Amino acid sequence: DTGVSQDPRHKITKRGQNVTFRCDPISEHNRLYWYRQTLGQGPEFLTYFQNEAQLEKSRLLSDRFSAERPKGSFSTLEIQRTEQGDSAMYLCASSPRLAREQYFGPGTRLTVT
Amino acid sequence: GQQLNQSPQSMFIQEGEDVSMNCTSSSIFNTWLWYKQDPGEGPVLLIALYKAGELTSNGRLTAQFGITRKDSFLNISASIPSDVGIYFCAIRPGTYKYIFGTGTRLKVLA
Repeated sequence: DTGVSQDPRHKITKRGQNVTFRCDPISEHNRLYWYRQTLGQGPEFLTYFQNEAQLEKSRLLSDRFSAERPKGSFSTLEIQRTEQGDSAMYLCASSPRLAREQYFGPGTRLTVT
Repeated sequence: GQQLNQSPQSMFIQEGEDVSMNCTSSSIFNTWLWYKQDPGEGPVLLIALYKAGELTSNGRLTAQFGITRKDSFLNISASIPSDVGIYFCAIRPGTYKYIFGTGTRLKVLA
């Protein structure tokens, strides 16, 4: 069990550029979540996948954000036309079927300049 | 939306002291999780609570699920420097996503 992994760990981009983050959940975890965390706050829910189906999206996920989980394995989160307000830590978590615990990855720190 | 209040917001303690923090909600929930987050890292699950009144330990950590199902407590005994970090409680209002509190920042003085 290698845990949830995320790539990259850090990303610096200029305003207006597109960025894509990747999350590899714990093997055989069919549930995958994306959260965003800003300084001084707890993680805020963005979206949830059960296998390859995206079952819920938060109002925080504007039209510039899109997430996919092809084949129900890894997931990607893309932000188009980044804005300075997108600067945050983007966290991925996964859980096994029927379990209530969530296990987080190390996060991707995005800085938009 | 749901609101979670964590207290204290931050605390400084001496190494060896016991620590207590709590989390209260405005509604009843059936699952409470406690996480610890180090700077620049993702939260690490410490303890999961599923039943009102449940008391669960993990090493020097003990957490309790309040009998009213609206609160939870986390205690750390004999604190050590590596206990430094931010402690978050989280509740599950539906069937999968979690809502997190704003955290308790713990600093341990050697």
